[in-house]
Amino acid sequence: EAQVTQNPRYLITVTGKKLTVTCSQNMNHEYMSWYRQDPGLGLRQIYYSMNVEVTDKGDVPEGYKVSRKEKRNFPLILESPSPNQTSLYFCASSSLAPTTDTQYFGPGTRLTVL
Amino acid sequence: KQEVTQIPAALSVPEGENLVLNCSFTDSAIYNLQWFRQDPGKGLTSLLLIQSSQREQTSGRLNASLDKSSGRSTLYIAASQPGDSATYLCAVKRTGTASKLTFGTGTRLQVTL
Repeated sequence: EAQVTQNPRYLITVTGKKLTVTCSQNMNHEYMSWYRQDPGLGLRQIYYSMNVEVTDKGDVPEGYKVSRKEKRNFPLILESPSPNQTSLYFCASSSLAPTTDTQYFGPGTRLTVL
Repeated sequence: KQEVTQIPAALSVPEGENLVLNCSFTDSAIYNLQWFRQDPGKGLTSLLLIQSSQREQTSGRLNASLDKSSGRSTLYIAASQPGDSATYLCAVKRTGTASKLTFGTGTRLQVTL
């Protein structure tokens, strides 16, 4: 089954404690992206990657890091989480081929930073 | 900067009604537009993808239209069912960029018995 998986699904942590949210897709997609969703603000892009070892900032990259060492994985790293990073996070992937670039989303990770 | 607006923010209709959800965007230079469904606490499921050269797409009881020149898209749901209750999001992809999507804030739909 084609899917995007994220782990963990729920996470409560404290300010300053480094954490990683993993994302993996099994569709051989070139493009992967992280979004955060906040009430009243909708989904905003954090980082994206066009392929292995190619990453770039989205609209709200401050406080986040990513890496793309393998095509299927795109982890999101919070080196020193703060309460304003409490949010619902989504990983997404898509092909870059024209007309087949539907984005597929993971189930989300709800992060609370105390 | 692209801005995407969805009106209304919430909508309640009785089962069986046909309904229209609206999406407007400020920059007409889009590559495509995608409609998603989001159930509470869940991820996003793609419903329809319309390329900039297309005027509409259909899937079952859903029909999405695109008018690039006026910066509008509509999602038409025929014969609504309680199972259609969810938040519906539209997102546009800008021409000439990576696959970044700019999302609207969604319309929360409730279909009542």
